[in-house]
Amino acid sequence: SQTIHQWPATLVQPVGSPLSLECTVEGTSNPNLYWYRQAAGRGLQLLFYSVGIGQISSEVPQNLSASRPQDRQFILSSKKLLLSDSGFYLCAWSVGSSSGNTIYFGEGSWLTVV
Amino acid sequence: SQQGEEDPQALSIQEGENATMNCSYKTSINNLQWYRQNSGRGLVHLILIRSNEREKHSGRLRVTLDTSKKSSSLLITASRAADTASYFCATDEVGDTGRRALTFGSGTRLQVQP
Repeated sequence: SQTIHQWPATLVQPVGSPLSLECTVEGTSNPNLYWYRQAAGRGLQLLFYSVGIGQISSEVPQNLSASRPQDRQFILSSKKLLLSDSGFYLCAWSVGSSSGNTIYFGEGSWLTVV
Repeated sequence: SQQGEEDPQALSIQEGENATMNCSYKTSINNLQWYRQNSGRGLVHLILIRSNEREKHSGRLRVTLDTSKKSSSLLITASRAADTASYFCATDEVGDTGRRALTFGSGTRLQVQP
């Protein structure tokens, strides 16, 4: 069966520090991968998605970046965090070429920038 | 921008009662999905309804879709305390196949009192 792992689960980082959130998927090949952000009590904002190794699409301009060094690994990074980067970050995956396929989420990473 | 908007934002009911949540969207869609999120956790897929379907059932869940009104509803019958969670609708927009990502609404927070 397919599983998704996302870490770290929680982190507190000072403003201006770097960020690296990692996500791996097991049990499937060539998944579509996603990073979403959720502000407290709000909906999900799509940050990045990837349909293959090295293929990253960005949804919104920001100081975050994403990379996909391996088929089932997706990394969210920042060189210098802002206070506004605080939130709940969710990695997710789907399979297939249709945009309407079911998306499966990781357990999320809570980021607090202080 | 958020495609789907859920209504109400928050709902509190007694155990055994039915809970109805609504979702409105703006553009034409291929399908609409409902997800559930327990506090501080990832989202879990509940049900998918295609644009050519009007109603779908899964256990205690009933979803309707009215494409003429661009709206959907999620009905949870005989609610239980364990149904307490946030519920999100997500849309797959027509002509957006290159994006391979769903657009989520802001969610309805459901509280079921035991």
